[in-house]
Amino acid sequence: GQNIDQPTEMTATEGAIVQINCTYQTSGFNGLFWYQQHAGEAPTFLSYNVLDGLEEKGRFSSFLSRSKGYSYLLLKELQMKDSASYLCAAMDSNYQLIWGAGTKLIIKP
Amino acid sequence: GAVVSQHPSWVICKSGTSVKIECRSLDFQATTMFWYRQFPKQSLMLMATSNEGSKATYEQGVEKDKFLINHASLTLSTLTVTSAHPEDSSFYICSASWGEVGEQYFGPGTRLTVT
Repeated sequence: GQNIDQPTEMTATEGAIVQINCTYQTSGFNGLFWYQQHAGEAPTFLSYNVLDGLEEKGRFSSFLSRSKGYSYLLLKELQMKDSASYLCAAMDSNYQLIWGAGTKLIIKP
Repeated sequence: GAVVSQHPSWVICKSGTSVKIECRSLDFQATTMFWYRQFPKQSLMLMATSNEGSKATYEQGVEKDKFLINHASLTLSTLTVTSAHPEDSSFYICSASWGEVGEQYFGPGTRLTVT
């Protein structure tokens, strides 16, 4: 079956760095997406990886290892506004997104 | 760019009535639109995928006669919840994309409460 695993909740300190891991098992693979979702709002796109390696975009970076079925989202210089849920989603061979349950990130001062 | 709107943003209706939710891509033509439902503290659950001019593809367990989806144009899709019940109360979110490997741009969501 198809499956996405990510931690349910993480806590970090303002100004620090946090890494949110995601492992996936899908029928075929057409890329890995990360979305940010604040409470009561719809998700917003953060990143897309289809090749192995690290993609950096400002304070956020995303890494992919296709051979390991593994990705992580790295958030640097954490700000209070980064408190949100982070959703990992893998696209299968039918171009359908398989969603993880999300990781709730709590930022403390 | 890539803005998706939803209307209404929230709605309260009585049990047994029907509610229509609109999803519009404002600045691009969406070849595919997706409808999701999200219960509190849970992840997105894909309900159906629709392509302009064709019938929607529903996920297993989603009643197509209860959740009517119409994708009349490349910029508009509607979801009608028919004969709503309290258990249909949820956050309904649409998204739109173009091409096969594309980002999904999400609408702001519609919070439905059925009393």
